[in-house]
Amino acid sequence: QSALTQPASVSGSPGQSITISCAGTSSDVGSYNLVSWFQQHPGKAPKLMIYEANKRPSGVSNRFSGSRSGNTASLTISGLQTEDEADYYCWAYAGSSTYVFGSGTKVTVV
Amino acid sequence: QVQLVESGGGVVQPGTSVRLSCVGSGVTFRSYGMHWVRQAPGKGLEWVALISYDGNSQQYVDSVKGRFTISRDNSKNTLYLQINSLRIDDTAVYFCASGASGDSWGQGTLVTVSS
Repeated sequence: QSALTQPASVSGSPGQSITISCAGTSSDVGSYNLVSWFQQHPGKAPKLMIYEANKRPSGVSNRFSGSRSGNTASLTISGLQTEDEADYYCWAYAGSSTYVFGSGTKVTVV
Repeated sequence: QVQLVESGGGVVQPGTSVRLSCVGSGVTFRSYGMHWVRQAPGKGLEWVALISYDGNSQQYVDSVKGRFTISRDNSKNTLYLQINSLRIDDTAVYFCASGASGDSWGQGTLVTVSS
C-alpha cells in the first residue's frame, strides 16, 4: 500500500498545457482502469476531475483530460487558468477492495 | 450525486476513542460503497477504509487495522468511523467520499489528538 508517485510541483503560464504523472505498479494503476484525479484548493474538500482514467464528470471543464499507459496515469490541463492553481491527487484501485492515493502535486500558474 | 456532511470531530486525548459520522442525502446513499479518507495537517490524502453498499464487507489500510471500524446504517443514510486507542498521528481532517471513483465528498471533520 505505498503511495503512488507524483511530481511535487508543476508550473505553467496562463494558456499553456501541463501534464501531471502518477506512477504506480502492476498491482494498481497497471491492473485496473479505476484511476481518479482530484483537485483540492486550500481548506476545501477534494473535487473529482477525472474518473476511470479518462472520463470527465458532468460540469468539469474539457480542459482537463486523463490517460493511462502501463503503470502510469496522467492528467493534462490545457489552456491553464489562474483558478487551476491547486493541489492535484491521483487515486487508484489496488485490488482486494483497497485504494491508494498519489503523493500530490502542487500546480502553480506563473 | 449524494450530498455528504461529516461530524464528530474535536480535540481528544491520546488513548481515547471517537466516532465520526457522515450523513448522506437522498435515496442514492444506500447504492454506493463509501470511503473514509484522512488528511493530516499540511500533508496529502490517505485512503483509510471502504465499506460496501450493503455494509457486508469492509477493508482498511494496513496502518489502521485493528483500531478503526467502518460501518453504516442505510436506514439513517449514515456512515460511521469508530477510532479507538487514538494516537497523536491520527490528527487529521477526516472526509467521507462515495462510490468507486470518489464521486462526492463531504467538507471534512477535524480530529485533533492532544493531551
